[in-house]
Amino acid sequence: AQSVSQHNHHVILSEAASLELGCNYSYGGTVNLFWYVQYPGQHLQLLLKYFSGDPLVKGIKGFEAEFIKSKFSFNLRKPSVQWSDTAEYFCAVNANDYKLSFGAGTTVTVRA
Amino acid sequence: DAGVTQSPTHLIKTRGQQVTLRCSPKSGHDTVSWYQQALGQGPQFIFQYYEEEERQRGNFPDRFSGHQFPNYSSELNVNALLLGDSALYLCASSLSGVGNEKLFFGSGTQLSVL
Repeated sequence: AQSVSQHNHHVILSEAASLELGCNYSYGGTVNLFWYVQYPGQHLQLLLKYFSGDPLVKGIKGFEAEFIKSKFSFNLRKPSVQWSDTAEYFCAVNANDYKLSFGAGTTVTVRA
Repeated sequence: DAGVTQSPTHLIKTRGQQVTLRCSPKSGHDTVSWYQQALGQGPQFIFQYYEEEERQRGNFPDRFSGHQFPNYSSELNVNALLLGDSALYLCASSLSGVGNEKLFFGSGTQLSVL
């Protein structure tokens, strides 16, 4: 069964700082990869996804993620965060079935 | 355009009781998945319903069951509640449920078992 690990439980940074959240998965076959975000008081929503092609994918709100197959990683980045990026971020993996396997999440707090 | 709606938003039950949670998918979606999110953890897949049948199931006991209606709405039933069933239950809808699709999540039902 696939599993997903997120490296950081809680990240605190200042506005304009760069953000990188780590995600590693364990599955040897073809995977589809996702980052979901949950803003305070809101439901989970998709930030970006990768399932084929260019391993550098761009999502909403200036986020991007890079799939490195050899490292089983799909790290999320944003060059310059804003206070409104305060949220919980979840990495998720699909191994060509019908379910998503989520990591435990990383809480990001951006200080103004 | 209505998103995914879940009811109730909060629920308190005691051990041994049974509970039913409800979900209406986003307009145009025919597939409903249910996830359990315990405090401090990511969502865990319970099962997915498509064409009124359970299409895939996660590692949850038979106490967890579901149903999908012809209008694509869905119910999650949990029997013989345990304290460990306390969690946020999320419903997600999609167009056909295939793995690389974007899921639309509801806000969840917070279940507390005392």
